[in-house]
Amino acid sequence: GAGVSQSPSNKVTEKGKDVELRCDPISGHTALYWYRQSLGQGLEFLIYFQGNSAPDKSGLPSDRFSAERTGGSVSTLTIQRTQQEDSAVYLCASSPRLAGDRTDTQYFGPGTRLTVL
Amino acid sequence: TQLLEQSPQFLSIQEGENLTVYCNSSSVFSSLQWYRQEPGEGPVLLVTVVTGGEVKKLKRLTFQFGDARKDSSLHITAAQPGDTGLYLCAGDRGTYKYIFGTGTRLKVLA
Repeated sequence: GAGVSQSPSNKVTEKGKDVELRCDPISGHTALYWYRQSLGQGLEFLIYFQGNSAPDKSGLPSDRFSAERTGGSVSTLTIQRTQQEDSAVYLCASSPRLAGDRTDTQYFGPGTRLTVL
Repeated sequence: TQLLEQSPQFLSIQEGENLTVYCNSSSVFSSLQWYRQEPGEGPVLLVTVVTGGEVKKLKRLTFQFGDARKDSSLHITAAQPGDTGLYLCAGDRGTYKYIFGTGTRLKVLA
């Protein structure tokens, strides 16, 4: 079956512009995560959606970052007034979160490489 | 604040050698996961450990969760070039909010 897809795969933008990054999770997965990964480093948690619950936004680095998940499926991460330090790979992951699961099995997309000039 | 420290950061070894990667924290985690990531791709889950002292084996890979659930190790026996990649540990405190480690970049030379 289809995995997690992200678009665009690469995005180059100028400082100060807004960007939108899209994530299509695996169908039926209720949990969706966004992470940021700087070159060759570990992942930084940004935001997490679970079903109809309020998202956990505690990892968003500033109010320039926001995310939404429409209809419990597709998610969009928006970065307003981009800065050079926003350059990174943005990864999305989804999880089925089955009843009784104590942990999430996260399936990651390939990421969007964002470059802010 | 980086809660999960991995060591070593980089490791270059010859095919057939054994290696161990460590993931350490001062915090207790309810579960810990290990991922492998290849260039241009997202991480792929290798294993989840949830019980202190738990040992799991996946072919040539052995994963251990510390008794106090603060640390973990990944041991690879007879490494192969296909094992090359970025290895990441990730801990959860029961909130489904995963904290990822700093990463260990492994290169296995043929």
